[in-house]
Amino acid sequence: AQSVTQLDSQVPVFEEAPVELRCNYSSSVSVYLFWYVQYPNQGLQLLLKYLSGSTLVESINGFEAEFNKSQTSFHLRKPSVHISDTAEYFCAVSAGAAGNKLTFGGGTRVLVKP
Amino acid sequence: NAGVMQNPRHLVRRRGQEARLRCSPMKGHSHVYWYRQLPEEGLKFMVYLQKENIIDESGMPKERFSAEFPKEGPSILRIQQVVRGDSAAYFCASSPRKAGGQNTEAFFGQGTRLTVV
Repeated sequence: AQSVTQLDSQVPVFEEAPVELRCNYSSSVSVYLFWYVQYPNQGLQLLLKYLSGSTLVESINGFEAEFNKSQTSFHLRKPSVHISDTAEYFCAVSAGAAGNKLTFGGGTRVLVKP
Repeated sequence: NAGVMQNPRHLVRRRGQEARLRCSPMKGHSHVYWYRQLPEEGLKFMVYLQKENIIDESGMPKERFSAEFPKEGPSILRIQQVVRGDSAAYFCASSPRKAGGQNTEAFFGQGTRLTVV
């Protein structure tokens, strides 16, 4: 079984400041890692994913995450946030044998202040 | 290619009534997953289906909840005799048939927000 911990439930941040959202996981098998974003009253949108290869993955809107196997982490970072980044962010893992069943963290709410 | 379609977007039911939530996966996707998001919580897996088969229902409550994904038509999540605690957002996700064992991403619908009054 897998579990995901997002240590921060809320992160207030000023516009143009950097932000880091922490995600740690536990699993007895190899996992695939995902970050999803949920804007208010919307569904989840995939932000970025790690399946294999380079441990640093990037999204088209400036977010990046690094898979660290030894620390079992997949922290999400953005060097300069915009007001439009205000949303809830979910880290998730899946294990290959279980299909695409995702185990989610509790979410981190990012509030970008002007 | 339309995304994952869920309807209705909002559903209000009185205690004791039945709720039916529908999910049409993306074209070509034969794997469907249902998740529930309770207020102020993350998403919790409920059930994983392929056409006409329930593959994993380990997250489904033992009573009142059922799911199906028929050969034709959308996947249905059915909640009988709803109670206030069933109020939540229910999300459906779909993914294509796995190719070569490579795990692939799931695409989510916009959810159905169920309110039990």
